[in-house]
Amino acid sequence: GAVVSQHPSRVICKSGTSVKIECRSLDFQATTMFWYRQFPKQSLMLMATSNEGSKATYEQGVEKDKFLINHASLTLSTLTVTSAHPEDSSFYICSARDKTGESKNIQYFGAGTRLSVL
Amino acid sequence: AQSVTQLDSHVSVSEGTPVLLRCNYSSSYSPSLFWYVQHPNKGLQLLLKYTSAATLVKGINGFEAEFKKSETSFHLTKPSAHMSDAAEYFCVVRLNTGFQKLVFGTGTRLLVSP
Repeated sequence: GAVVSQHPSRVICKSGTSVKIECRSLDFQATTMFWYRQFPKQSLMLMATSNEGSKATYEQGVEKDKFLINHASLTLSTLTVTSAHPEDSSFYICSARDKTGESKNIQYFGAGTRLSVL
Repeated sequence: AQSVTQLDSHVSVSEGTPVLLRCNYSSSYSPSLFWYVQHPNKGLQLLLKYTSAATLVKGINGFEAEFKKSETSFHLTKPSAHMSDAAEYFCVVRLNTGFQKLVFGTGTRLLVSP
């Protein structure tokens, strides 16, 4: 199956610093990638939809200046948490949508990034 | 609006016994439905998908699900649980508009005892 790589798997940072998370589709091209946030023992909440070469579309209530998304190529999207605060601590998961072949329109997920802001 | 409801937050089974994880959907048209599994501190793995083909869908690791329109259900089953099946399971519906976003159920934690 398709593979999505997410890096780093875990990051600890000080309050006020910025953190960048990378999401790569390794064996397929993904014009669309998605960023989710998951709180402990809860389901995934979509934060934003990332489209290659254009601005990301954010869900209601998600601050676009806080969570910067860049999708510069067909295999890479990045999420930058700017000026992180303890309330931003969470599990962030990306997914990439395969648009071709038998896997058409299936979302494949990265392994997630555990962000802890001190 | 499309949505899915997972009726059980926790399901406990013994190893070797059948697994049933329940999911009901709400949709005004034929939905695309998925089951994903998440092991602790891991991303999500696709177990199986229904996209209006055969109503009985077979997935990985011996799991299968049956789409029942009359009951608006898409329950996940496995004949015999294994210890490695212990994880969080999400029933998911895909929207057919815009970016075809996924809407997740609240999840069911499967506990498997020896």
